[in-house]
Amino acid sequence: DAGVTQSPTHLIKTRGQQVTLRCSPKSGHDTVSWYQQALGQGPQFIFQYYEEEERQRGNFPDRFSGHQFPNYSSELNVNALLLGDSALYLCASSHLRTGERELFFGEGSRLTVL
Amino acid sequence: RKEVEQDPGPFNVPEGATVAFNCTYSNSASQSFFWYRQDCRKEPKLLMSVYSSGNEDGRFTAQLNRASQYISLLIRDSKLSDSATYLCVVTTSGTYKYIFGTGTRLKVLA
Repeated sequence: DAGVTQSPTHLIKTRGQQVTLRCSPKSGHDTVSWYQQALGQGPQFIFQYYEEEERQRGNFPDRFSGHQFPNYSSELNVNALLLGDSALYLCASSHLRTGERELFFGEGSRLTVL
Repeated sequence: RKEVEQDPGPFNVPEGATVAFNCTYSNSASQSFFWYRQDCRKEPKLLMSVYSSGNEDGRFTAQLNRASQYISLLIRDSKLSDSATYLCVVTTSGTYKYIFGTGTRLKVLA
């Protein structure tokens, strides 16, 4: 049973560039949430996708955008990268229809912005 | 004020010790509560949910105090493998986001 998979695991970008991160949810899950975790901090909610629509968004600027595909996989896009965007980006999946509350996280994509 | 607050630690304890962490939350409408464990440079994983009646899983006990708006985690007979960061997580009815505390770092010493 495949868990949550994310790619790439590590990447380095420069200020002003754009990045796309990818996530495949746990088998059978229909909901994907994205979190940003800066060093020494807890994960911060970016947004959640269900049925290919953004259901809720955290306090992140419009430079952060996402998408969910019919197979439930998801992408996180960040435009005009800033140094402060350097963080671990975590994807978490859950199964909304069953009401299961546990979030299953992928290992994350570690982004460094120079 | 942060929505979820935790003492960042670190808590350095000897093997076999009992250690307790507290976490306070600011929104009285908070509905669900969890403790997640995160090993260094790894993803968070659910340790246990926290119920109003309190719950226990082996050496781990979680308690919820709605009146004072805090949850606690007690670890008995600490093992070296318990060394990790423990994240307090709160959700609110009608929202889909999980609010994480900054985490409490635990180091169990031999």
